[in-house]
Amino acid sequence: NAGVTQTPKFRILKIGQSMTLQCAQDMNHNYMYWYRQDPGMGLKLIYYSVGAGITDKGEVPNGYNVSRSTTEDFPLRLELAAPSQTSVYFCASSPQRLSYEQYFGPGTRLTVT
Amino acid sequence: SQELEQSPQSLIVQEGKNLTINCTSSKTLYGLYWYKQKYGEGLIFLMMLQKGGEEKSHEKITAKLDEKKQQSSLHITASQPSHAGIYLCGVYQNAGGTSYGKLTFGQGTILTVHT
Repeated sequence: NAGVTQTPKFRILKIGQSMTLQCAQDMNHNYMYWYRQDPGMGLKLIYYSVGAGITDKGEVPNGYNVSRSTTEDFPLRLELAAPSQTSVYFCASSPQRLSYEQYFGPGTRLTVT
Repeated sequence: SQELEQSPQSLIVQEGKNLTINCTSSKTLYGLYWYKQKYGEGLIFLMMLQKGGEEKSHEKITAKLDEKKQQSSLHITASQPSHAGIYLCGVYQNAGGTSYGKLTFGQGTILTVHT
């Protein structure tokens, strides 16, 4: 199993541009999550999904959108990139709620200038 | 919502020394997770503590949950360069009585081990 994969690894965007961060898992997990990590701030939940077709907002959803058309994929969309969205983005999945652990992807480092 | 505060924020130790990282919760702890992150990589699950007084060990890392203090501690014995990284504690948040497994993290503790 590849686990949780994320693309791209790095990206530089200009203010106002849009992009999609890709996340895929091959473990047949129902639960998937998007986090952003800022220095000294830990991880903040952006959006999560409990299964295909079901998504909900986390702590910091503004400026982002998600979709979950399949169990495997959970893309994160930035419509109008802003400098405040400069961060490292992590995707994670787990087989059930209150799982022992969440499996994390390697992250996407995004810079908005 | 429940918040987690980690201390210290950063730690520099000499190889072979012992160290402790603390994670304090603003609310009662019913379960806590410890993760480790190396620079440029995702988070790796270390262990989960579910009950007050529970203590778990993995190689030279021991974690304990003190529910009275609303705190968990992570102790590393005889630190090695491979222990360097960011350690994060996390708890699952409930959402209106239904938990969707939303994990809230502390801000992280950066550990540097000098040889």
